[in-house]
Amino acid sequence: AQSVTQLDSQVPVFEEAPVELRCNYSSSVSVYLFWYVQYPNQGLQLLLKYLSGSTLVKGINGFEAEFNKSQTSFHLRKPSVHISDTAEYFCAVPNDYKLSFGAGTTVTVRA
Amino acid sequence: EAQVTQNPRYLITVTGKKLTVTCSQNMNHEYMSWYRQDPGLGLRQIYYSMNVEVTDKGDVPEGYKVSRKEKRNFPLILESPSPNQTSLYFCASSSNTGIKQFFGPGTRLTVL
Repeated sequence: AQSVTQLDSQVPVFEEAPVELRCNYSSSVSVYLFWYVQYPNQGLQLLLKYLSGSTLVKGINGFEAEFNKSQTSFHLRKPSVHISDTAEYFCAVPNDYKLSFGAGTTVTVRA
Repeated sequence: EAQVTQNPRYLITVTGKKLTVTCSQNMNHEYMSWYRQDPGLGLRQIYYSMNVEVTDKGDVPEGYKVSRKEKRNFPLILESPSPNQTSLYFCASSSNTGIKQFFGPGTRLTVL
């Protein structure tokens, strides 16, 4: 079964600074990968997805992620964060009729 | 508007009092699923359904029941809730077998 590991549980960052959230996946022949965001007291929203093709995936709200097969990683980045990016972020992989999620990374943006 | 709805959004109950959390989708999706979210554990699948009258266990099914009598609805039933079922619950639906899932807004359940 495929799985993902999020390497950071908490990431504090100052406003307008860059942020990177790390996600590693278990090796497989083919893989789809997702990043979801959960804003405070809200549901899950799809940020971006990798299905195939270009390894650099652009998502909503200025986020992007790079699929790296040799390092089995799918790190999420944003060059300049805003206070409104404060949220919990989940990496996920489809796996036998479900999504398998990482433990989540809480991003706190400070002024 | 395409959406997954859940009710109630917040629920406080006591140990042993049966409850049902409803989930409904308007996208004619075959696949529906329930997850629970706990701090440090991410989301874990409870049950899923591939279509009407077809359900199967996920990773953490103990203490839960589901039914799928209609395509649009997938209620989650806790026959005898216990405090360890205090959690945030999400319903999801998809036209594929979980490749792209649409999530509901969540139900925060507290069992005292």
